Amino acid sequence: LAKTTQPISMDSYEGQEVNITCSHNNIATNDYITWYQQFPSQGPRFIIQGYKTKVTNEVASLFIPADRKSSTLSLPRVSLSDTAVYYCLVGDLMDSSYKLIFGSGTRLLVRP
Amino acid sequence: GAVVSQHPSWVICKSGTSVKIECRSLDFQATTMFWYRQFPKQSLMLMATSNEGSKATYEQGVEKDKFLINHASLTLSTLTVTSAHPEDSSFYICSAPQIAGGAVDTQYFGPGTRLTVL
Repeated sequence: LAKTTQPISMDSYEGQEVNITCSHNNIATNDYITWYQQFPSQGPRFIIQGYKTKVTNEVASLFIPADRKSSTLSLPRVSLSDTAVYYCLVGDLMDSSYKLIFGSGTRLLVRP
Repeated sequence: GAVVSQHPSWVICKSGTSVKIECRSLDFQATTMFWYRQFPKQSLMLMATSNEGSKATYEQGVEKDKFLINHASLTLSTLTVTSAHPEDSSFYICSAPQIAGGAVDTQYFGPGTRLTVL
């Protein structure tokens, strides 16, 4: 059973900022939050990972409130090529044998 | 990020034959790898955990005699679909965790293998 809940789909336009929120009410103390992007017929691609507060890299930001029961992936100025499915996962990443269970993901459509 | 490769990228086979899919971690070692299956328009479903030097552990409902997993080295895991049938047609994806700074793993995924059974 997936430990996360995300909106099924979102629409946006080129150049806009997109925020995708994920709920993980039962996140454990050792769990980290990881977001992946998947295009059709490709494996998921790592986007960003964090434990608390804010993490930023060259493609996205991840906001995690103090209670860690949710997280928000922020994609600045999306383009058509950002149309994809985005998955939020939680897991004990200190344990290399920990299994990542995928939820339904969020299908993002970026329109011209 | 780390690179995980899969071979072949696609395969078509006749019903009843066996197909082997390889998963390699190219620039890091992985004592554990994971195998997923994905049907069209659906999410990834974890099939099994591949353990280097020991038996794989399978998720509930996954037939271990049908999906044979061998983790022969720290960089290679193979999934063999035995006596494949059309319902086994799917997109198979592997992943491997890489220990990053601070001993936090990041899972990297392979590009996937499209299996079509005629």
